[in-house]
Amino acid sequence: AQTVTQSQPEMSVQEAETVTLSCTYDTSESDYYLFWYKQPPSRQMILVIRQEAYKQQNATENRFSVNFQKAAKSFSLKISDSQLGDAAMYFCAYTPWGQFYFGTGTSLTVIP
Amino acid sequence: KAGVTQTPRYLIKTRGQQVTLSCSPISGHRSVSWYQQTPGQGLQFLFEYFSETQRNKGNFPGRFSGRQFSNSRSEMNVSTLELGDSALYLCASGLRGDRGSEQYFGPGTRLTVT
Repeated sequence: AQTVTQSQPEMSVQEAETVTLSCTYDTSESDYYLFWYKQPPSRQMILVIRQEAYKQQNATENRFSVNFQKAAKSFSLKISDSQLGDAAMYFCAYTPWGQFYFGTGTSLTVIP
Repeated sequence: KAGVTQTPRYLIKTRGQQVTLSCSPISGHRSVSWYQQTPGQGLQFLFEYFSETQRNKGNFPGRFSGRQFSNSRSEMNVSTLELGDSALYLCASGLRGDRGSEQYFGPGTRLTVT
């Protein structure tokens, strides 16, 4: 079964601080992609960061970085220097092929 | 370049009716996927189309169907609506539809079944 688990339904962080969102997945595939998507209150989902499973190096995109632990099937998102605009629902997603499997999301609140 | 558009944005239907939702992908994108988003279940994959062919299908009843046209536009149809079909329906398009491709999401259609 392909499942994605986000164990933190809600998280909060002080502005300018760092927060880490957790994601684990279950798969028997050896090659796949992992994504973090952000869904602000306006509801348009946008890609935050992407990781290819066969790449050892963790992906980074400006203030966003991941900690990808393939053996542990863990894919956490670290947001550094949090900004008010980072407040949103964050979804972890996994795809071994064209179908995406999403976690249930983590709602991030940024406290001014 | 225009983003993914979905019409209508909001829809209210009665149990037993049917509904058709439309999705126009980003120009040049050939893959279109549909998702149902509810507070309890999160995002659940409905189906994916690539070049007018359904490539993947999620675990939804046959009341949910879709199609893709030659211009990559896609429609999703739900027949015999049930209260539990109330959800945000998201469409996402991708350039190639392969596993590494980013999916670009539309704003969604909010369906309320009464």
